[in-house]
Amino acid sequence: GQNIDQPTEMTATEGAIVQINCTYQTSGFNGLFWYQQHAGEAPTFLSYNVLDGLEEKGRFSSFLSRSKGYSYLLLKELQMKDSASYLCAVRTNAGKSTFGDGTTLTVKP
Amino acid sequence: DTAVSQTPKYLVTQMGNDKSIKCEQNLGHDTMYWYKQDSKKFLKIMFSYNNKELIINETVPNRFSPKSPDKAHLNLHINSLELGDSAVYFCASSRLTSDADTQYFGPGTRLTVL
Repeated sequence: GQNIDQPTEMTATEGAIVQINCTYQTSGFNGLFWYQQHAGEAPTFLSYNVLDGLEEKGRFSSFLSRSKGYSYLLLKELQMKDSASYLCAVRTNAGKSTFGDGTTLTVKP
Repeated sequence: DTAVSQTPKYLVTQMGNDKSIKCEQNLGHDTMYWYKQDSKKFLKIMFSYNNKELIINETVPNRFSPKSPDKAHLNLHINSLELGDSAVYFCASSRLTSDADTQYFGPGTRLTVL
């Protein structure tokens, strides 16, 4: 099976930087995804990492260390609209993806 | 232009009834999924399906059954609905054969069992 751990809740200030961590244990790792989900809406894709290192996409970056079973999502220049749940999902070689329980981020003025 | 669509958006029904939720994707993807998101917002995979393989999460009761009339559709049929089935059900699709099989989610169906 797969174990995926993320903090349940985080709070940050508008304009600041926040890092959301995700640790996982799995066999046959084949990629890690981050999704954003606003309340009452469907999850939407943010980023994908399969090799170690940092992937940057505008204000959002995602990092992966396969040896440590660790990833983080970095959000810069936080905006109020970034208040949402952030879901870490791990895919295996068998094509199965498992989602973490999500981190609810609240951005305050 | 909707990539992944689901109907209905809201479904309120009595315990013991049988209901279906429909899902369609126009992305040409080869794999579709059903997820259940409960009141605690935990997103759990129920099924993944392509034209070769159905993968069932072992925790899903056999009252739930996916039905795929063709590659672009994966409907979810639920028999003998129970109170605990109340949740938001999301359909998703991806191109599993690609390196990054990003999943595209439908808008969700909020099921309430009374």
